[in-house]
Amino acid sequence: KAGVTQTPRYLIKTRGQQVTLSCSPISGHRSVSWYQQTPGQGLQFLFEYFSETQRNKGNFPGRFSGRQFSNSRSEMNVSTLELGDSALYLCASSFVRGGDYNEQFFGPGTRLTVL
Amino acid sequence: AQKVTQAQTEISVVEKEDVTLDCVYETRDTTYYLFWYKQPPSGELVFLIRRNSFDEQNEISGRYSWNFQKSTSSFNFTITASQVVDSAVYFCALLSKAAGNKLTFGGGTRVLVKP
Repeated sequence: KAGVTQTPRYLIKTRGQQVTLSCSPISGHRSVSWYQQTPGQGLQFLFEYFSETQRNKGNFPGRFSGRQFSNSRSEMNVSTLELGDSALYLCASSFVRGGDYNEQFFGPGTRLTVL
Repeated sequence: AQKVTQAQTEISVVEKEDVTLDCVYETRDTTYYLFWYKQPPSGELVFLIRRNSFDEQNEISGRYSWNFQKSTSSFNFTITASQVVDSAVYFCALLSKAAGNKLTFGGGTRVLVKP
């Protein structure tokens, strides 16, 4: 089974621009979560999508948004980029059945640099 | 609110020594899940182990073992007979069922295994 894939792997943008990151989950996984990793704040939860609906959201400004498509693929968008948005963005997918939660499997991440 | 604390920021050992990583968690939820992830220099988070709050049985899986104690809210992880390939950052994570499918990570412990 193929793992979680993320594109692009590296991205360089300038302040004020916007960026879209893509994530393809493991086949059969309908839950996709996004995390931001920075040296200062560590790993922080951004949001989770399940069946094309945002189910959970972390404490990030509205500039961070996402969506999920019918094939469970997900995109994350950051508008009006700031220097502090430079980070490794990790996508994870998991198999959710009923009310139980399973381990999340992570992709290789997209490293975003904002200049 | 959930919180995970990994007090050890960095551990350095010589190959074949055992390494124990400490993890202390906080949650008011009675149903929760604990995880350990490994992040090698490549950046991808690799799932290692998962325990449910209602299962305190400690197990050994190859060179990995864990000690889950609800009484002290600890979920420690041990690598036996460490190898150079074990060099990575290790993260302990908590998922509280009431909070939904989102992981709260500790700050991570960097393990350096020297030959």
